[in-house]
Amino acid sequence: GNSVTQMEGPVTLSEEAFLTINCTYTATGYPSLFWYVQYPGEGLQLLLKATKADDKGSNKGFEATYRKETTSFHLEKGSVQVSDSAVYFCALSLPNTDKLIFGTGTRLQVFP
Amino acid sequence: GAGVSQSPSNKVTEKGKDVELRCDPISGHTALYWYRQSLGQGLEFLIYFQGNSAPDKSGLPSDRFSAERTGGSVSTLTIQRTQQEDSAVYLCASSLEPSGTQYFGPGTRLLVL
Repeated sequence: GNSVTQMEGPVTLSEEAFLTINCTYTATGYPSLFWYVQYPGEGLQLLLKATKADDKGSNKGFEATYRKETTSFHLEKGSVQVSDSAVYFCALSLPNTDKLIFGTGTRLQVFP
Repeated sequence: GAGVSQSPSNKVTEKGKDVELRCDPISGHTALYWYRQSLGQGLEFLIYFQGNSAPDKSGLPSDRFSAERTGGSVSTLTIQRTQQEDSAVYLCASSLEPSGTQYFGPGTRLLVL
């Protein structure tokens, strides 16, 4: 079946540290891949996306590259801030279905 | 409105009662989705409406769950004879077109006692 696996949290970092949150997927066909973020007390927001292999999505200093050969879409940021503290969800959607299939979410805590 | 709105923001009900959850999508968005976020199951798809097409109900967990979308805009998710395992945050999202970016509402937190 189609699924998304992401690393367990929480991930705890000091400000300005390098961030990686791993995400791998299993899908029939060629999915689009997404990272959504949920800040405390707020709704889900799209952070970035990539729709085909080798595409790189980027936003707010975050990046993720669609790797078909390793079925991965790892989220990275070179220098995290306290304001990046949130829950991050990796997700996929398949052509002609449009529904999102989410990973379990990874909580990031950044301390000053 | 500026974004997707949902009401109520919180709902506490007794086991066995029916509940209705409302979603107002972004004006002009043709696609509307319901998801559920619970501790045990994470974020899971429930149902999808696109224009006048028959909805994709493949994610509804039981026949106690139903949803409708009137006039291509507002949607109502109904849960009949609620059970404690229905306790979750119910999220609505809309997109301008199929396969477009989904914009999420703040959710309705449902607690079944």
